[in-house]
Amino acid sequence: EVQLVESGGVVVQPGGSLRLSCAASGFTFDDYTMHWVRQAPGKGLEWVSSLSWDGGSTYYADSVKGRFTISRDNSKNSLYLQMNSLRTEDTALYYCAKDGYTYGWGHFDYWGQGTLVTVSS
Amino acid sequence: DIQMTQSPSSLSASVGDRVTITCRASQGISNYLAWYQQKPGKVPKLLIYAASALQSGVPSRFSGSGSGTDFTLTISSLQPEDVATYYCQKYNSAPYTFGQGTKLEIK
Repeated sequence: EVQLVESGGVVVQPGGSLRLSCAASGFTFDDYTMHWVRQAPGKGLEWVSSLSWDGGSTYYADSVKGRFTISRDNSKNSLYLQMNSLRTEDTALYYCAKDGYTYGWGHFDYWGQGTLVTVSS
Repeated sequence: DIQMTQSPSSLSASVGDRVTITCRASQGISNYLAWYQQKPGKVPKLLIYAASALQSGVPSRFSGSGSGTDFTLTISSLQPEDVATYYCQKYNSAPYTFGQGTKLEIK
């Protein structure tokens, strides 16, 4: 059974930093691109970042480019999101999601439960 | 960047109705289109990928169609458990933009 468990969400002040983690199990982690998606309270889904299976290719939404860094440790079956220079508008539930294609870029077939990041003074 | 626009933003229908939600891309995306269902307080769930492929375990009353810029999600006979917000998403290339969502309620 595929499981994705996010952690690291807390309350942080504007300008602060935070590192989110996503622990994966139930599939061959290093065969799949992984993604981060966020959802602000009462709002829709916003794609944040994606990272290829081998860590060689990364993509970011314009809203986080230059502030967030996606990474993975395939030896630990884990995905990360380093978040710097946080803004109030980064407040959201952050989901980790698995890509639906082996060695590809596609739809998101499994999602974690999310971890809540609140940016507030 | 390609924009994804869903219509309507909300709708109310009766149990047993046929429901259609539309998603339009501002440029052609071939069939690189997914649909997700998010029930209140729950995690998004993949329904349809490649515009028309039904994800394993999803009821057959859900179907998707379209290619290029215009796509449709259809529920053939609305059930009470289908109350949710539905999102389309493009994945031909980054950014992997979602539509703004369509909130579906039971009349």
